[in-house]
Amino acid sequence: DVKVTQSSRYLVKRTGEKVFLECVQDMDHENMFWYRQDPGLGLRLIYFSYDVKMKEKGDIPEGYSVSREKKERFSLILESASTNQTSMYLCASCRPSYEQYFGPGTRLTVT
Amino acid sequence: GDSVTQMEGPVTLSEEAFLTINCTYTATGYPSLFWYVQYPGEGLQLLLKATKADDKGSNKGFEATYRKETTSFHLEKGSVQVSDSAVYFCALSRGGYQKVTFGTGTKLQVIP
Repeated sequence: DVKVTQSSRYLVKRTGEKVFLECVQDMDHENMFWYRQDPGLGLRLIYFSYDVKMKEKGDIPEGYSVSREKKERFSLILESASTNQTSMYLCASCRPSYEQYFGPGTRLTVT
Repeated sequence: GDSVTQMEGPVTLSEEAFLTINCTYTATGYPSLFWYVQYPGEGLQLLLKATKADDKGSNKGFEATYRKETTSFHLEKGSVQVSDSAVYFCALSRGGYQKVTFGTGTKLQVIP
C-alpha cells in the first residue's frame, strides 16, 4: 500500500514561531504537494514539487516556503507563523498522470 | 482558470436512501475527473475517477459518469450506509504536473 505520513497530527505554535511540517512518502513518487484545507474553501494548493530540489508555487504560497532535498520527503515551512495560518495541512504525492495519495493531515493551531 | 462547483452540504440521508451529489466543472481541454472521500480525522482517499468523456468510474457502490456535454461528474449511490458518512470532494486534473483543482466538499451524514 502507498503510504504518505506527516510528522504530526496536531500542532500548537505561537505567533512568530518558525514551523516545520514534514511529509514522507514510500512509493518513489516524483510529485509531491502541500495543501491547506479550510471550511467552506475546500483544498487550496500551497506548493508542489515534481523533482528533488524543484518547486513550484501553487495558488496561495504567501507566508510559506518548501524544501525537497530527497525524493521521499517534502517539507513545508512557515517562516513566521501567524494566526491566519491556523488550518489543516495535507500532503499528497503521485506519479505523473496518476491519482494523488494523501497523508492524514496536520491540524495546526497558531495562538 | 479551472474550477469545480459541487452542491452545498451538509446532506443528511437515512440509511438505504439514494444519494446524488452534483458536481460541475470548468476547464479547457479534456481533464481527468475524480471523486475523493475524507472520513473523519483522516486525509483524502481516491474514491473513483474517469479520464475521458462517457467513462464511468465506480467503486464501493458509488458511480459517476464523465459528461462532457454538460461538464458534469455527479456522484451516485443506490443505497447509502452509515459508514458512508464523510466529506466528498469532486476534483479535476490536467497538465503534466497533475495539479488538481478541488471543489469545496460536500458533507454527507447518514442516519440509521
